[in-house]
Amino acid sequence: DADVTQTPRNRITKTGKRIMLECSQTKGHDRMYWYRQDPGLGLRLIYYSFDVKDINKGEISDGYSVSRQAQAKFSLSLESAIPNQTALYFCATSDAASGRATDTQYFGPGTRLTVL
Amino acid sequence: GDSVTQMEGPVTLSEEAFLTINCTYTATGYPSLFWYVQYPGEGLQLLLKATKADDKGSNKGFEATYRKETTSFHLEKGSVQVSDSAVYFCALSDSYNTDKLIFGTGTRLQVFP
Repeated sequence: DADVTQTPRNRITKTGKRIMLECSQTKGHDRMYWYRQDPGLGLRLIYYSFDVKDINKGEISDGYSVSRQAQAKFSLSLESAIPNQTALYFCATSDAASGRATDTQYFGPGTRLTVL
Repeated sequence: GDSVTQMEGPVTLSEEAFLTINCTYTATGYPSLFWYVQYPGEGLQLLLKATKADDKGSNKGFEATYRKETTSFHLEKGSVQVSDSAVYFCALSDSYNTDKLIFGTGTRLQVFP
């Protein structure tokens, strides 16, 4: 079974709709991240969380919100989706044990979101 | 702020050819450097990393050396296979917040038999 899972894998929605993307992990990691991937732009960080009580904005947090329901679960919400939020979204985790970004980040398979 | 620049793709090679994908970085501190690979339909996975100048990361026949003097971390492989076809991302750890990674735009590699 995959260590980092994302649901749904694909989603088509309409402008103005609220949508939630979910991420679960069985790796026991404290740190979780949400990225979006756009052609030609690489990956950009939306939000990250170091534990259930610690949520931080990333590079492009406008239009997004997150919820860390438990150590293993980190959800990304689009309150009112717009077409330029069409992208591939990735969740990732890392282990806080050593406290450095030299720790590997482990990625989920991604959610392809299309906003019409 | 810190940034990563990598060569645009696609890079198209025949099987057993030599591969180089260029990556240069700008950083005010002493970041760690990474190469991640994304196979079709999958998430990213770490390919190799280097944490300080002159370190060489290696994995699955791929190598990259952390060159502080040229601010580079070029990815190389002596003989590519069709199964190496993927998108390769260079990344660094943010000098001011070592819990964040900054990614390059990715380079698509296509290997033909």
